[in-house]
Amino acid sequence: AQSVSQHNHHVILSEAASLELGCNYSYGGTVNLFWYVQYPGQHLQLLLKYFSGDPLVKGIKGFEAEFIKSKFSFNLRKPSVQWSDTAEYFCAVMIGGATNKLIFGTGTLLAVQP
Amino acid sequence: ETGVTQSPTHLIKTRGQQVTLRCSSQSGHNTVSWYQQALGQGPQFIFQYYREEENGRGNFPPRFSGLQFPNYSSELNVNALELDDSALYLCASSQRQGDWLETQYFGPGTRLLVL
Repeated sequence: AQSVSQHNHHVILSEAASLELGCNYSYGGTVNLFWYVQYPGQHLQLLLKYFSGDPLVKGIKGFEAEFIKSKFSFNLRKPSVQWSDTAEYFCAVMIGGATNKLIFGTGTLLAVQP
Repeated sequence: ETGVTQSPTHLIKTRGQQVTLRCSSQSGHNTVSWYQQALGQGPQFIFQYYREEENGRGNFPPRFSGLQFPNYSSELNVNALELDDSALYLCASSQRQGDWLETQYFGPGTRLLVL
């Protein structure tokens, strides 16, 4: 069955530190890839997405992600985090087919200390 | 804001009861997907509605059912509630064009507690 793995369940960083959150998926066919973010008390929001083209995609708030097809990975990065980045981050994969459902990872809770 | 709204925001029910959750999709979107997010987990796909018909279902029993209306809004119904149904229920709105569904935009969710 298709699945998404996020390697870090909890990450604690100081402001200005660099961030990389890992995401791997298991599916051999064509995929669309997403990172969603859930800030405290807010709904799930799209951070960035990859459908095709340049495997390095840029999202909102200085986030970027790189799709490495050979590694089935879509890691999220930010060079310098801020306290306001404290949130839960979800990687999601959309596979082809009639439904195109999203398969989510279990999420990574990021706490940024001022 | 995504333009996707859900009601109610919170709900408390007891085991065996039935519940209906509602979702209004973003203007211009023709597809609604429902997800269940248990505490500490990522959202799990329940089912999807497109053009008022179910268009795919995840690993959820038949007591989870839904509807989509001509204005593309949707309902999720759960019968015979169980304690494990306690979760955040998310509605996602999107547009289907061709073979792929475009980006899904989520509502704020309905938090259901089953006692």
